[in-house]
Amino acid sequence: QQPVQSPQAVILREGEDAVINCSSSKALYSVHWYRQKHGEAPVFLMILLKGGEQKGHDKISASFNEKKQQSSLYLTASQLSYSGTYFCGTSPNTGNQFYFGTGTSLTVIP
Amino acid sequence: DGGITQSPKYLFRKEGQNVTLSCEQNLNHDAMYWYRQDPGQGLRLIYYSQIVNDFQKGDIAEGYSVSREKKESFPLTVTSAQKNPTAFYLCASSNSDSGGEKLFFGSGTQLSVL
Repeated sequence: QQPVQSPQAVILREGEDAVINCSSSKALYSVHWYRQKHGEAPVFLMILLKGGEQKGHDKISASFNEKKQQSSLYLTASQLSYSGTYFCGTSPNTGNQFYFGTGTSLTVIP
Repeated sequence: DGGITQSPKYLFRKEGQNVTLSCEQNLNHDAMYWYRQDPGQGLRLIYYSQIVNDFQKGDIAEGYSVSREKKESFPLTVTSAQKNPTAFYLCASSNSDSGGEKLFFGSGTQLSVL
């Protein structure tokens, strides 16, 4: 039930945009996005609960396509602080057993 | 400040030894979780608990045990039956058993085998 993330890794220059995708073979109730710096705890970015829902925070936004069982995370005008590994977490129902993807390593260089 | 505290930050295990990782939260959260993280892999669920005195196995529970005697505490024991315990272990909690609640993570414990 582990969702699949793509790409596995991406390198950007400051100011460039990136898209990270998360897809599941199962129907989804919710999608979570987290960012983790090396050796640290993952930090919550956002939750999407409804199909078609889109959310944004500063220059980071996400969408949730319930029919396609996938979500995408959009990072625009990337900053050095965006570097880290991004994980999507999915829940197939209202229960709280989350499944996390394998992560996308994002590196922003000057 | 409210949060999740994991200890120790680094832990070494000898062959055949059981070790216990501590996880304490003061967020008054009902649900708590243990995840294992290996390089290049995502977070894999070991155990989770939705309420005191109750817990369920995740995808990789073999070789691990947990207890939930108090709401704020969810210790994980890595037993000698776990043949490849070297990993980064993360504890998390959430406010309810709804998939719509975000997870709060501790800072992790790195376990290594001597």
